[in-house]
Amino acid sequence: GENVEQHPSTLSVQEGDSAVIKCTYSDSASNYFPWYKQELGKRPQLIIDIRSNVGEKKDQRIAVTLNKTAKHFSLHITETQPEDSAVYFCAASISGYSTLTFGKGTMLLVSP
Amino acid sequence: NAGVTQTPKFRVLKTGQSMTLLCAQDMNHEYMYWYRQDPGMGLRLIHYSVGEGTTAKGEVPDGYNVSRLKKQNFLLGLESAAPSQTSVYFCASSYIFLAGDSDTQYFGPGTRLTVL
Repeated sequence: GENVEQHPSTLSVQEGDSAVIKCTYSDSASNYFPWYKQELGKRPQLIIDIRSNVGEKKDQRIAVTLNKTAKHFSLHITETQPEDSAVYFCAASISGYSTLTFGKGTMLLVSP
Repeated sequence: NAGVTQTPKFRVLKTGQSMTLLCAQDMNHEYMYWYRQDPGMGLRLIHYSVGEGTTAKGEVPDGYNVSRLKKQNFLLGLESAAPSQTSVYFCASSYIFLAGDSDTQYFGPGTRLTVL
């Protein structure tokens, strides 16, 4: 089955800096890659996703890039703010299946 | 429109006791999922359902059973709780999940379960 590795497990940045979280996946058939944000004590919520027919997608301060050849994808947050502090999960889905495989998460801490 | 709801929010069980967690969604979603979340382990899929009357095993199904008798409800049962099942349980649903054109999974608020 699919295996998703996520790094780093924790990331501390100063407000205004950029943050990058990286994920790798094992199955070349995977073609959908969402990112979820989970604030402390809250439910995970989708913040951005990318499909394998595009290499990059942006939404304001958030962007995701995909390298199908290397089987990795990354989340980029620019101009970080304290409210960006949360746990971020990447995930991948395999063609023909109806489930997501999640990475173990990255705790992002943004200091004022 | 409440989205995805879960009951109860918290529960403490003794080893060997049984309980059922209820997930309900009012978005007419076909697909529903149960995950458990443990520190450092991410979200692991327990069971899922692709429609009323159907269920399937996920990554960590042992010790759990599920039922989807109505489209809007997905029940997770623990027949004989064990301390290893102490976790936060999340339910999720999605309208449809087609490979290559997948839809968003919407999560419930979670149930924090402690087994003593």
